[in-house]
Amino acid sequence: AQRVTQPEKLLSVFKGAPVELKCNYSYSGSPELFWYVQYSRQRLQLLLRHISRESIKGFTADLNKGETSFHLKKPFAQEEDSAMYYCALSPRGYQKVTFGTGTKLQVIP
Amino acid sequence: SQTIHQWPATLVQPVGSPLSLECTVEGTSNPNLYWYRQAAGRGLQLLFYSVGIGQISSEVPQNLSASRPQDRQFILSSKKLLLSDSGFYLCAWSLEKEQFFGPGTRLTVL
Repeated sequence: AQRVTQPEKLLSVFKGAPVELKCNYSYSGSPELFWYVQYSRQRLQLLLRHISRESIKGFTADLNKGETSFHLKKPFAQEEDSAMYYCALSPRGYQKVTFGTGTKLQVIP
Repeated sequence: SQTIHQWPATLVQPVGSPLSLECTVEGTSNPNLYWYRQAAGRGLQLLFYSVGIGQISSEVPQNLSASRPQDRQFILSSKKLLLSDSGFYLCAWSLEKEQFFGPGTRLTVL
C-alpha cells in the first residue's frame, strides 16, 4: 500500500524567507511524485512533478529515494504563494493517485 | 480544450435522503475519472476511480457508490445519506498522470 505524509498542517513564513514543505512517502515500488496547489477560490491544480525536474513559480522538489521524501522548496517566499499544497504519489504504470493531508502555506507580508 | 463540470455546486440534504452528484468532461475521450472527498485535516481522500465505462474501483468501503454510464460521465450516489457524508466532493480526470479537477460540490447533510 502507498502512503503520503505531510507532517505540517500549517506553515507560516515571512515574505522573502525560504520555504520548505515536507512530504514523505512509503511505497515499495517505483513511484511518481507530484505537488498540487490550491489557491483561494481556485481549483486544485498540478504545480510540478518529479520526472519533469523543472522549477515552477520558483518552486523545486527533488525526489530522495533514500529518505523517501519529496520536499517542496522555494528560496524566497512571495505573498502570492499562500495556498494549500498537497503532495501526491502514483505508482508507475497505474492510474491511482494517493494524496497527503495537505499543508497550508501562509506568507506573512 | 478540455473542461470538467460538476453539479450541483452546493447541496443541503436531510439524513436518509438519496444523493446523486454528476461530473462530466468535455474535449477528451476515454479519460480516467476520479471522485475525492476533501476534508480539513484529512486532505484528499480517494473514493472511486474509473479507467473506462462500467469499470469502477472503490477505495473506501462506505455509504457511497459510483457509476460511469457514459465515457465522460461519472456519477456519485447514495441511497441513504448519513451525517458523516457531509463534505466537499471533487471530481477529476486524467489521461496520463496529471489530474484536472472540477470546481467541487459542497454537501451538507442535516
